[in-house]
Amino acid sequence: EAQVTQNPRYLITVTGKKLTVTCSQNMNHEYMSWYRQDPGLGLRQIYYSMNVEVTDKGDVPEGYKVSRKEKRNFPLILESPSPNQTSLYFCASGVGGGGADTQYFGPGTRLTVL
Amino acid sequence: AQKITQTQPGMFVQEKEAVTLDCTYDTSDQSYGLFWYKQPSSGEMIFLIYQGSYDEQNATEGRYSLNFQKARKSANLVISASQLGDSAMYFCAMREGRDFNKFYFGSGTKLNVKP
Repeated sequence: EAQVTQNPRYLITVTGKKLTVTCSQNMNHEYMSWYRQDPGLGLRQIYYSMNVEVTDKGDVPEGYKVSRKEKRNFPLILESPSPNQTSLYFCASGVGGGGADTQYFGPGTRLTVL
Repeated sequence: AQKITQTQPGMFVQEKEAVTLDCTYDTSDQSYGLFWYKQPSSGEMIFLIYQGSYDEQNATEGRYSLNFQKARKSANLVISASQLGDSAMYFCAMREGRDFNKFYFGSGTKLNVKP
């Protein structure tokens, strides 16, 4: 089954404790992206990647890191989480490029930073 | 300036009636794409419909159609014959020509379908 998976689905942590949210896709997509969703703000793009070793900032990259060492994986790293990073996070993948190519979203990771 | 504006935080519609969800966008690019996604209460994001800036006809997908008015920079989603299962959050999104991989989303519209 074609899918984007994220782990963990739920996470409660404390300020300053480094964490990684994993994202994996099995569709051989070149493009992957991370978003955060906050009430009243919709989804905001954090980072995206066009291919292995190619990443770029979205609208809200501060406080986050990503890496793309393999095509299928695109982990999101919070080196020192803070309460303002409490949010619902989505990973997405797609063929990339223009046109009607949409993104396929993972199920989301709900993160709470205390 | 906001790239995507959805001015209706919440809407109600009677079952079997049509409903229009508003979306306006801001870009100076000639090439861009507009998307609508549905997010049910379960949380997943579901792609509904796409409109390219050069498409001359409005996009349609089953009960969904996109009312694309380029001069007004609007891309409203029309859902015909609403069903109870249409109750969800709906997001309008845009991908700009300069960087096909940067996406902008609106704040969403919560649609409630009444029986």
